[in-house]
Amino acid sequence: DAGVIQSPRHEVTEMGQEVTLRCKPISGHDYLFWYRQTMMRGLELLIYFNNNVPIDDSGMPEDRFSAKMPNASFSTLKIQPSEPRDSAVYFCASSPDRAFSGYTFGSGTRLTVV
Amino acid sequence: QKEVEQNSGPLSVPEGAIASLNCTYSDRVSQSFFWYRQYSGKSPELIMSIYSNGDKEDGRFTAQLNKASQYVSLLIRDSQPSDSATYLCAVTSFSGGYNKLIFGAGTRLAVHP
Repeated sequence: DAGVIQSPRHEVTEMGQEVTLRCKPISGHDYLFWYRQTMMRGLELLIYFNNNVPIDDSGMPEDRFSAKMPNASFSTLKIQPSEPRDSAVYFCASSPDRAFSGYTFGSGTRLTVV
Repeated sequence: QKEVEQNSGPLSVPEGAIASLNCTYSDRVSQSFFWYRQYSGKSPELIMSIYSNGDKEDGRFTAQLNKASQYVSLLIRDSQPSDSATYLCAVTSFSGGYNKLIFGAGTRLAVHP
């Protein structure tokens, strides 16, 4: 299995632009998670899906952030409009079960908003 | 109050020594506990999981869990420079009818030759 695949690896954008991050979970994993990691705040859970349905989005910082999972093999995290404080590494992770025993992270997207 | 707390470090140990990493958590009903290792610029990778009180050993790694004290630790024996990384403690938290995995901020470990 190729693991959790994220794209792009790096994204540099100007403030005010729309940014879309993409994730392909491991096949058969019913849970998908989006995290944001910064030096100041560590690894923060933004939102997670179970069987393509958003379960908990309490970590989404504000309305500028939205996430979708149109099918079992694809999810997006969109930021519109982007701001410099959104600069971080965004990770996607997937798990086969609610015990999270096989929790696997993607390689991450390093987002820089200038 | 943070849900999962770790000392940020850095924890500096000489090569060959035992490194001891600690984590406390606030949710008394947490059931699953994990340790992840994250090298600089890389994603976290799972190295240990533990579900019941006591010790669990896997090679040079030993995870220890004490649910009464809400404490989980990771011991790394015979530390190597390649063990230098940030170690993240993760704990399941049940809220709103769903489980989710909460991460601590991580402890940076530096193993020097």
